[in-house]
Amino acid sequence: DVKVTQSSRYLVKRTGEKVFLECVQDMDHENMFWYRQDPGLGLRLIYFSYDVKMKEKGDIPEGYSVSREKKERFSLILESASTNQTSMYLCASSLLGTETYEQYFGPGTRLTVT
Amino acid sequence: AQKITQTQPGMFVQEKEAVTLDCTYDTSDPSYGLFWYKQPSSGEMIFLIYQGSYDQQNATEGRYSLNFQKARKSANLVISASQLGDSAMYFCAMREVLSGGGADGLTFGKGTHLIIQP
Repeated sequence: DVKVTQSSRYLVKRTGEKVFLECVQDMDHENMFWYRQDPGLGLRLIYFSYDVKMKEKGDIPEGYSVSREKKERFSLILESASTNQTSMYLCASSLLGTETYEQYFGPGTRLTVT
Repeated sequence: AQKITQTQPGMFVQEKEAVTLDCTYDTSDPSYGLFWYKQPSSGEMIFLIYQGSYDQQNATEGRYSLNFQKARKSANLVISASQLGDSAMYFCAMREVLSGGGADGLTFGKGTHLIIQP
């Protein structure tokens, strides 16, 4: 089974702190994604990557950056956390070229910025 | 721009009844894929069912079926014989090609909160 893991289920940080959210997948997937989920807004794509060291902006990249140094790991970075970044963050991965292009999700990180 | 619309923010259904969750989409791409995910209170996203735009038949997976009406651009999820464990958020999503590198991502609707009552 595909497994996508995220470094923390719950995280509390202070305004202005630098925050790292880590995501690791074990199925050699090319594509990796970071979403944030807010009530009433569904999931919104922050950044994605289709290869090592490649990254592209999603719909809401402002205030975030990403890093993909290894194929299995995709990190989301909040350079200076703000209260409006309090949210649930979901990482996902998918295999390029599959018929269904199904994305496999991690358990999520609920981040609170105070 | 592609868009997914789920018009039912919440639904209450009696156990054992069939449920239809609505989803309409908007795209100008001739080739696309439609997904339904379930998110229980634990937070994990669970893939339920997939429908390709060129598939001739409606997709089915156990108690889940997708009522795909291409001309109307709708992809409603039907859950037969609902169970208490079906209570969750349900998201409709559409696959889109995001870049020249071939990465494909999902655009999600805002979700429907389904509550099954005993």
